[in-house]
Amino acid sequence: QVNLMDSGGGVVQPGRSLTLSCTASKSEIFFSNYGIHWVRQAPGKGLEWVAVISYDATDHYYADSVKGRIIISRDNSKKTVLLQLNNVRPEDTAIYYCAASDTTLDALDFWGQGTAVTVSS
Amino acid sequence: DTRMTQSPSSLSASVGDRVTITCRASQDMGDSLAWFQQKPGKAPKSLMYSASALQDGVPSRFRGSGSGTEFTLTITGLQPEDVGTYYCQQYHRYPLSFGGGTRVEI
Repeated sequence: QVNLMDSGGGVVQPGRSLTLSCTASKSEIFFSNYGIHWVRQAPGKGLEWVAVISYDATDHYYADSVKGRIIISRDNSKKTVLLQLNNVRPEDTAIYYCAASDTTLDALDFWGQGTAVTVSS
Repeated sequence: DTRMTQSPSSLSASVGDRVTITCRASQDMGDSLAWFQQKPGKAPKSLMYSASALQDGVPSRFRGSGSGTEFTLTITGLQPEDVGTYYCQQYHRYPLSFGGGTRVEI
């Protein structure tokens, strides 16, 4: 079991940037073993995979819908993964969840509670 | 990209019923398929991985089957707490992709 906490959501104006955090508790000694994904869910819609970063930050992959506007990074000493989304659009409005998997191409076993982002002027 | 198609999009059943949800992939996925349950206002919860392996703590009334391009989630003996939306997801290749979801009601 890995306990993840998502944070950083809120209201952001179109064209601006946002940074979301996914943090594991201090007791999560195995955080650095996991790939971390971001998945989002627009209001009333289904789940959309957004990005993943490998356990050691050497690999990352992005969805086409955000490619060129997104940076995912991690600091295992702080047990944190950051998602920076630039030039946000109204269609980026969603609840963003982080999730952990054994490798980057693996089942998403553990999920954070989600953080809501609204893109609006 | 791999398209995941779930059916039905919604269903209504009675307590104790057997419920079946189908997920079809546009490409061969092997057994790289997971199932999730999402209750209103909550994060998704992993039910199953590798098409048929139950996550710890998931009741045995949930069963997954299939490989390649066609997969099934079966709930045998539907319970009131099973209400929610169910999603399949492939992790065989990037980008990872989800089915559109199946809403289960009592």
